[in-house]
Amino acid sequence: AQSVAQPEDQVNVAEGNPLTVKCTYSVSGNPYLFWYVQYPNRGLQFLLKYITGDNLVKGSYGFEAEFNKSQTSFHLKKPSALVSDSALYFCAVRDGMEYGNKLVFGAGTILRVKS
Amino acid sequence: DTAVSQTPKYLVTQMGNDKSIKCEQNLGHDTMYWYKQDSKKFLKIMFSYNNKELIINETVPNRFSPKSPDKAHLNLHINSLELGDSAVYFCASSPTRGGGSEQFFGPGTRLTVL
Repeated sequence: AQSVAQPEDQVNVAEGNPLTVKCTYSVSGNPYLFWYVQYPNRGLQFLLKYITGDNLVKGSYGFEAEFNKSQTSFHLKKPSALVSDSALYFCAVRDGMEYGNKLVFGAGTILRVKS
Repeated sequence: DTAVSQTPKYLVTQMGNDKSIKCEQNLGHDTMYWYKQDSKKFLKIMFSYNNKELIINETVPNRFSPKSPDKAHLNLHINSLELGDSAVYFCASSPTRGGGSEQFFGPGTRLTVL
């Protein structure tokens, strides 16, 4: 069965600094990896995904993520954080071996960007 | 214009009551989902339907019953509500059930059981 770990409950960064939100995964087959963001009292919004191909994936709002197969990681990054990036971020994985199986979410990481 | 909509947004009810949450998507997607987000923000899938067919049914009490009258709608009915059912319930949809499809989430329904 697939699983996702987000080792940090909260990440604090200063506005303008680079940010990283960490994610590691475990699957039997090839991973399909996703990042979502949740603003307070809102639903989840899709940021980016890795299916195959280039290990560096670019997504919405200037975010990017790097797929690292040897480290089984898919960390979310942004070169320059904005206060408006403050939100709850979820990493999710689906096992590519099983068509149509479920998406498993990590526990989430709160990102706080201070001005 | 809302892609995935849910009603109601808030639901406050007494233990033992029966309630329903409705979900509609206007994206033309084949697959719909129900998720539960608990007080610690942990998100877990409950059910998934593909073209009105149930394809994922997690370990959820029998008091929860999903119904999909057509592929644009997925409703959740909950019988004999318990305190532990208090959570935010999210509906989502995706173009297909395939591995690479991202999911589009509704705004959520906050259920409070007193």
